Amino acid sequence: AQSVTQLDSQVPVFEEAPVELRCNYSSSVSVYLFWYVQYPNQGLQLLLKYLSGSTLVESINGFEAEFNKSQTSFHLRKPSVHISDTAEYFCAALMDSSYKLIFGSGTRLLVRP
Amino acid sequence: ETGVTQSPTHLIKTRGQQVTLRCSSQSGHNTVSWYQQALGQGPQFIFQYYREEENGRGNFPPRFSGLQFPNYSSELNVNALELDDSALYLCASSLELYNEQFFGPGTRLTVL
Repeated sequence: AQSVTQLDSQVPVFEEAPVELRCNYSSSVSVYLFWYVQYPNQGLQLLLKYLSGSTLVESINGFEAEFNKSQTSFHLRKPSVHISDTAEYFCAALMDSSYKLIFGSGTRLLVRP
Repeated sequence: ETGVTQSPTHLIKTRGQQVTLRCSSQSGHNTVSWYQQALGQGPQFIFQYYREEENGRGNFPPRFSGLQFPNYSSELNVNALELDDSALYLCASSLELYNEQFFGPGTRLTVL
């Protein structure tokens, strides 16, 4: 069955430290990958996406993610986090031309001063 | 450009009642998907509409139904509400099938 796994339910980190949020997806022929961010009591905002081409994708606020086909991973990284990055982060995938966007269970990033 | 909007923002119902949630897709988008997000979980796909036709459905019972209108706005209807239906319901629109999806702010449904 198609699935997306986010093993870390919560990641605490100090401000200005680097962070990596892990995401793995079930093996598939084709895949589009997304990271969404959700602030408290709000909907989902698209952070970045991989559709094709360069395996390293970046967002405007300093996050980046790398598509690794052999590892079936799409980990999210930021070299230096801010308090304002505290939120829930969801990895999602469209696999094998499916119309269903499949989400992981989310990782809560908690940035401490 | 107006983004995806949903109404109402919050809703409280009792078991057995029926509810209708509404979604206006982003301008030019012909595909609408609905998701249920229970507390502390990732969104779960309910169904998708493409050009007014249901294009696919997740593992939800038939009491979850929907519509898409000619202007591509959409409704989610839930009959015979159960306590476990309490969740954030998210609507997302996309330009075409298999494109990135843009989410609305959601409707928080509480079933008592």
